[in-house]
Amino acid sequence: GESVGLHLPTLSVQEGDNSIINCAYSNSASDYFIWYKQESGKGPQFIIDIRSNMDKRQGQRVTVLLNKTVKHLSLQIAATQPGDSAVYFCAETIPRNYGGSQGNLIFGKGTKLSVKP
Amino acid sequence: NAGVTQTPKFQVLKTGQSMTLQCAQDMNHEYMSWYRQDPGMGLRLIHYSVGAGITDQGEVPNGYNVSRSTTEDFPLRLLSAAPSQTSVYFCASNIAGGGNEQFFGPGTRLTVL
Repeated sequence: GESVGLHLPTLSVQEGDNSIINCAYSNSASDYFIWYKQESGKGPQFIIDIRSNMDKRQGQRVTVLLNKTVKHLSLQIAATQPGDSAVYFCAETIPRNYGGSQGNLIFGKGTKLSVKP
Repeated sequence: NAGVTQTPKFQVLKTGQSMTLQCAQDMNHEYMSWYRQDPGMGLRLIHYSVGAGITDQGEVPNGYNVSRSTTEDFPLRLLSAAPSQTSVYFCASNIAGGGNEQFFGPGTRLTVL
């Protein structure tokens, strides 16, 4: 079935380097994508989102890129810090017909980011 | 605002027991959802609600019931717990409409023996 997946289950980077976490999706109807950060023992925390009519969106130290041609999503973290160590999930929303496009979030399996001091 | 709160934080059940996981939000969000997270897995949607009195099934609804009598509360009931329901459960809420950030609670770690 269609699903969101990740290329790499783990990623280790040096403090201060840039991190890139990749995600592939297969449903061309998905219209909204979100990156979440989950620290050990906590619930997912919103990082950044992007709608399907955009190619790029920037936040504080983070950038999300969306390539609809190859159905690829990436999260770039600039100047990675030890506090960025966590599991990162991408999620996609496929429109449903409930009063608009609530959509259910479909999560990928996650990439564990480890930052070495 | 307290955001999304969940109780209990931890729970151990025996096979066949029933229990209710509580979820509440004080952000007046119309939409609420329940997910389960298993080791090495992303979150999978169990049930969701788009407003008081309206619920629907997600990806893995079997063995779980929900109700939404108020905007604030969205309890998840396990009628007869099974070891396969050992997991971490997260509740989330968001404002109406697609493409809106979901806010997650801290989770309930459930073990079924």
